[in-house]
Amino acid sequence: GAVVSQHPSWVICKSGTSVKIECRSLDFQATTMFWYRQFPKQSLMLMATSNEGSKATYEQGVEKDKFLINHASLTLSTLTVTSAHPEDSSFYICSARLQGEGAGQPQHFGDGTRLSIL
Amino acid sequence: AQSVAQPEDQVNVAEGNPLTVKCTYSVSGNPYLFWYVQYPNRGLQFLLKYITGDNLVKGSYGFEAEFNKSQTSFHLKKPSALVSDSALYFCAVRDLNSGGYQKVTFGTGTKLQVIP
Repeated sequence: GAVVSQHPSWVICKSGTSVKIECRSLDFQATTMFWYRQFPKQSLMLMATSNEGSKATYEQGVEKDKFLINHASLTLSTLTVTSAHPEDSSFYICSARLQGEGAGQPQHFGDGTRLSIL
Repeated sequence: AQSVAQPEDQVNVAEGNPLTVKCTYSVSGNPYLFWYVQYPNRGLQFLLKYITGDNLVKGSYGFEAEFNKSQTSFHLKKPSALVSDSALYFCAVRDLNSGGYQKVTFGTGTKLQVIP
């Protein structure tokens, strides 16, 4: 149980393109989803927390207009990298929290999306 | 504020030998502690957690971790390493007493290399 599906796994696109990444909870409802960015050989950097039906909460230093997050339903959150540039190339990972789940429960992670901007 | 430190970027161990991946934490209250494993180009998989109770917790794939409050540590261990254990390991902490749903803070990760 508690499977999180992230799509696409890999994406390569030209500079200036906007890219959308989907994060779905397949067998549970997720009131909260988290978006992370991971640089090579580095830890996960929390970008934003999205709550179903409300605006995402962005971490300091993360551009809201650059990284658009939508959490329109209890099973889907999307991250759109707008006008992507080579410096946006990274590994993006989402995770989800089950509805009603306590703070002592682990997060459920998607398999990540490798974004390469040419 | 909460923080977690993984002092080793990489740990090398021979197959069959015991392994330890170190983690220390800092929280203002009582911690929730987690270990995750990440294989190349994959997300994080949960291994084990400490919430309360017995200081020695057992998790997936034969891993265990010992919570030491006085040393604020939560080292990951396994009695006999397998080549397939080679991966990136993350320690994470959440402050129990922070109120509400506090964000998890991840360590910088330790790459475990098990040598055949």
